[in-house]
Amino acid sequence: GESVGLHLPTLSVQEGDNSIINCAYSNSASDYFIWYKQESGKGPQFIIDIRSNMDKRQGQRVTVLLNKTVKHLSLQIAATQPGDSAVYFCADAGGTSYGKLTFGQGTILTVHP
Amino acid sequence: DTAVSQTPKYLVTQMGNDKSIKCEQNLGHDTMYWYKQDSKKFLKIMFSYNNKELIINETVPNRFSPKSPDKAHLNLHINSLELGDSAVYFCASSFHSTGELFFGEGSRLTVL
Repeated sequence: GESVGLHLPTLSVQEGDNSIINCAYSNSASDYFIWYKQESGKGPQFIIDIRSNMDKRQGQRVTVLLNKTVKHLSLQIAATQPGDSAVYFCADAGGTSYGKLTFGQGTILTVHP
Repeated sequence: DTAVSQTPKYLVTQMGNDKSIKCEQNLGHDTMYWYKQDSKKFLKIMFSYNNKELIINETVPNRFSPKSPDKAHLNLHINSLELGDSAVYFCASSFHSTGELFFGEGSRLTVL
């Protein structure tokens, strides 16, 4: 069935390093992807999104890369800070409406001071 | 001001009981959702309502009954609670057909 998954369930980095979180998806028809950040005890928060007509999108300290050929996307966080420690999810909107997002399992990012 | 608020934040109850979780959003969105997050952090959609009408029902057992009295509220009632219902339930809202969902802080349900 359709799925969105992650290569690494955990990632530990030092403060100041760059972090890369990966995600694979299986639905070739998917045209919209979103990264969410979930801090402990809180709900997921929107970080950045990308549509399938783009390969790259940049935000503040974050960049999302989309490789449609291999159905892979990644989230890059520059100069990672302790406040970036959270679970990161990629989500696939699959071209549907009404927010039916298919979430990946999540990657736990731990940033050490 | 909390954009999407849900109550209660924690709920501990016995098997077989009936419980409700309430959700309200003040963002003016027309679509609301319930997601379930299991112990492995996996998030899965349960229901979606657009302007008080049920849009998505992801084969959730009929013990779960969402109710949307108006487009700013979406409550979740669960009958005959089972151990497997233990999870964190997230309410979310958005404008229809957009991807940016705004989530509440979650309601952790523990069934003993």
